[in-house]
Amino acid sequence: NAGVTQTPKFQVLKTGQSMTLQCAQDMNHNSMYWYRQDPGMGLRLIYYSASEGTTDKGEVPNGYNVSRLNKREFSLRLESAAPSQTSVYFCASSPGGTHYGYTFGSGTRLTVV
Amino acid sequence: DQQVKQNSPSLSVQEGRISILNCDYTNSMFDYFLWYKKYPAEGPTFLISISSIKDKNEDGRFTVFLNKSAKHLSLHIVPSQPGDSAVYFCGMDSSYKLIFGSGTRLLVRP
Repeated sequence: NAGVTQTPKFQVLKTGQSMTLQCAQDMNHNSMYWYRQDPGMGLRLIYYSASEGTTDKGEVPNGYNVSRLNKREFSLRLESAAPSQTSVYFCASSPGGTHYGYTFGSGTRLTVV
Repeated sequence: DQQVKQNSPSLSVQEGRISILNCDYTNSMFDYFLWYKKYPAEGPTFLISISSIKDKNEDGRFTVFLNKSAKHLSLHIVPSQPGDSAVYFCGMDSSYKLIFGSGTRLLVRP
């Protein structure tokens, strides 16, 4: 099925470990985004890539890095995981800008112990 | 400082009645507003949107209202159905990215 694919779906990390969350879309969208969802905080933007070759910080970028590998793929890296990064992470894509709406992946549930 | 606020964390309504979900914002530069719906263990899905040049947009049972002077957005669902039970997020366009509210959990009782 066409859409946004995130891997892994679940992950448990120890404090200080690193990992990369993968995201790929097959809709030929230009823009891609990473959000985190926390109870009572809604969806907060971590990083986004308006087009291939560009990345920008969102509301909560500290502790994360991103790579727009090509038009299809946008990865999120945690270099040294902290318990505060326990969250559900969503990747999204859009044709360009936000007026068309986003398509979200099904999420990665990350627990840092 | 939250630019987008959904002040009601939860809402419970009877099947067949109207559900009204609200959203307030502070940035008058927002020019496009969207509602997303999220079921447990799934990603959010786009529901309905409205441009700042309009004050109302309808799509079947869903209507979004925009009051720019009050900086207030609302979503009306009529009639509400048990399948509408989900978390609803309002989102606002801010320079090629969406800023979301904290969400309202809607429960529609049979």
